Amino acid sequence: QVQLRESGPGLVKPSETLSLTCAVSGYSISSEFFWGWIRQPPGKGLEWIASIKHSGTTHYNPSLKSRVTISVDTSKNQFSLKLTSVTASDTAVYYCARCSGGSCYRADYWGQGTLITVSS
Amino acid sequence: QSALTQPRSVSGSPGQSVTISCTGTSSDVGAYTYVSWYQQHPGKAPELIIYDVSKRPSGVPDRFSGSKSGNTASLTISGLQAEDEADYYCCSYAGTYTILVFGGGTKLTVL
Repeated sequence: QVQLRESGPGLVKPSETLSLTCAVSGYSISSEFFWGWIRQPPGKGLEWIASIKHSGTTHYNPSLKSRVTISVDTSKNQFSLKLTSVTASDTAVYYCARCSGGSCYRADYWGQGTLITVSS
Repeated sequence: QSALTQPRSVSGSPGQSVTISCTGTSSDVGAYTYVSWYQQHPGKAPELIIYDVSKRPSGVPDRFSGSKSGNTASLTISGLQAEDEADYYCCSYAGTYTILVFGGGTKLTVL
């Protein structure tokens, strides 16, 4: 059974860097799939952030690309996201997911999500 | 403003059918068959219910079906059940620059 679990700080101050990790269990991250991050501001819709393959191939949402870095750690079977210079508009539930293809249009397994609040 | 346009809400009675539209452009929905639909219950992660316009992942009831015509994709839910009440999101691959776009979501109410 594929399971994903996000971990993060919960609260981040404006202008700081948000770091999130997604631990994958029940499936090797060194597979043909991509692994992605998708977020959802409270009461709003979904926004794809980035995705990565174990080989290091990455894809980024162009609207966030300048502030985002996605990385993978195959030894720990996990992948991570860094988002710099956060503002209140980055407040959202952040999900990690397994994706068929780099765009994550087809994400078949999701984590439960972690709420990140940007506030001083 | 989401890239794909969905109705904010739709409703139907148990047993009826409802269709949710998802309108994009010739650069996303109209250009590719990489259109997916997600169901999201309150407080839960989205669940993939349709991919590649009309394919259903294993375990998704055949009451859920997808189609596409031109720049508009559609999700039809037949034989509505109370548990179908949820938010539904469409998304589409949009090329090598934009990559992926989502609709704003549609709230389905089962009367």
